[in-house]
Amino acid sequence: SAVISQKPSRDICQRGTSLTIQCQVDSQVTMMFWYRQQPGQSLTLIATANQGSEATYESGFVIDKFPISRPNLTFSTLTVSNMSPEDSSIYLCSVRLEGTEAFFGQGTRLTVV
Amino acid sequence: KQEVTQIPAALSVPEGENLVLNCSFTDSAIYNLQWFRQDPGKGLTSLLLIQSSQREQTSGRLNASLDKSSGRSTLYIAASQPGDSATYLCALNTGRRALTFGSGTRLQVQP
Repeated sequence: SAVISQKPSRDICQRGTSLTIQCQVDSQVTMMFWYRQQPGQSLTLIATANQGSEATYESGFVIDKFPISRPNLTFSTLTVSNMSPEDSSIYLCSVRLEGTEAFFGQGTRLTVV
Repeated sequence: KQEVTQIPAALSVPEGENLVLNCSFTDSAIYNLQWFRQDPGKGLTSLLLIQSSQREQTSGRLNASLDKSSGRSTLYIAASQPGDSATYLCALNTGRRALTFGSGTRLQVQP
């Protein structure tokens, strides 16, 4: 299994500001995933964070809005930039061990006012 | 395109009752299926993983089954407890980067 520490667990931010979310895994993993869960919705993949290369973004998500860092095999950050109320969501990081079982962090509950 | 449906969307049961949550999917070409639990405003906790070659998995009071031919999985919870109250999500690994999630079943177990 994998233990994922994600922080902050929640935050209330002013529109126009940015928030960086951190994700630390207790083992080395090749790929880390960032998801967004809008209120009342299921999870949507934002991007895949690859160590040593740029993140791979899904349709509808761009690097300028959601820059991602992956400095090593156990750590990644997601920044939500120039926030608006529509960015209010739960943001989750995830890893998948050996291509099978997926594990998630505790989530970051973001409210933009 | 894979579509995942979870029925019911919400369920309220008295403590001690056995219950079944359903997950159906349209494309049987999956590597595995995973059941998660999500508490309000929190992340996902992995409950059970079923590989495509398996029929069921058990962990404590939880039993998950998989029938690829009919595109169905069920999560059986025995002797439900108030602490089981949460949203339960099924997710399919189809070989793509992202898991494909159902919309979830919100369970409330009344004491």
